[in-house]
Amino acid sequence: SAVISQKPSRDICQRGTSLTIQCQVDSQVTMMFWYRQQPGQSLTLIATANQGSEATYESGFVIDKFPISRPNLTFSTLTVSNMSPEDSSIYLCSVGSYGATDTQYFGPGTRLTVL
Amino acid sequence: ELKVEQNPLFLSMQEGKNYTIYCNYSTTSDRLYWYRQDPGKSLESLFVLLSNGAVKQEGRLMASLDTKARLSTLHITAAVHDLSATYFCAGVSGTYKYIFGTGTRLKVLA
Repeated sequence: SAVISQKPSRDICQRGTSLTIQCQVDSQVTMMFWYRQQPGQSLTLIATANQGSEATYESGFVIDKFPISRPNLTFSTLTVSNMSPEDSSIYLCSVGSYGATDTQYFGPGTRLTVL
Repeated sequence: ELKVEQNPLFLSMQEGKNYTIYCNYSTTSDRLYWYRQDPGKSLESLFVLLSNGAVKQEGRLMASLDTKARLSTLHITAAVHDLSATYFCAGVSGTYKYIFGTGTRLKVLA
């Protein structure tokens, strides 16, 4: 499985500001995914990031709020813009391992608190 | 769209006991996954179930899939404290979109 790192691991931010989260993978992957996990809740897919194309956003998530970059096959960023306390969550990136099992592997997450 | 439900949401059990976590899903899912999440940590892949009747076992955990009933189970045998964690099942909508269940928070008491 791929080794995935995220930066920062956690942050405390003021409302109205923006935070960019980085996701780095140790091998080239076609598809990367960004999820949100609100406190005590399950995971919700924000968007799929493919290299060389615009990210595909899920219902309820928009590019202006969560712009995503995917400049190459090992790296992606997610920006949480104009933050409010409701954005306090864990943000996780994942990558797909495609073959017989098509399993996604998850990064360590970024714990965001918005005051 | 695919919906995934787990029960129970919370499970407190004594060491040495057996228990089962249930994962129901609403429409066809090509694959069914089980993940473990420790507090403050990311998700660890446990099992992937690919076909009807599939059974996978690792240590004290055994997962099974019944596609006709749209049901997967995670059975815990002789629980130990180290198994305390939150367990998620996830189905797949389309090719790669994971839909996660609500999670089951398991606490094993010594």
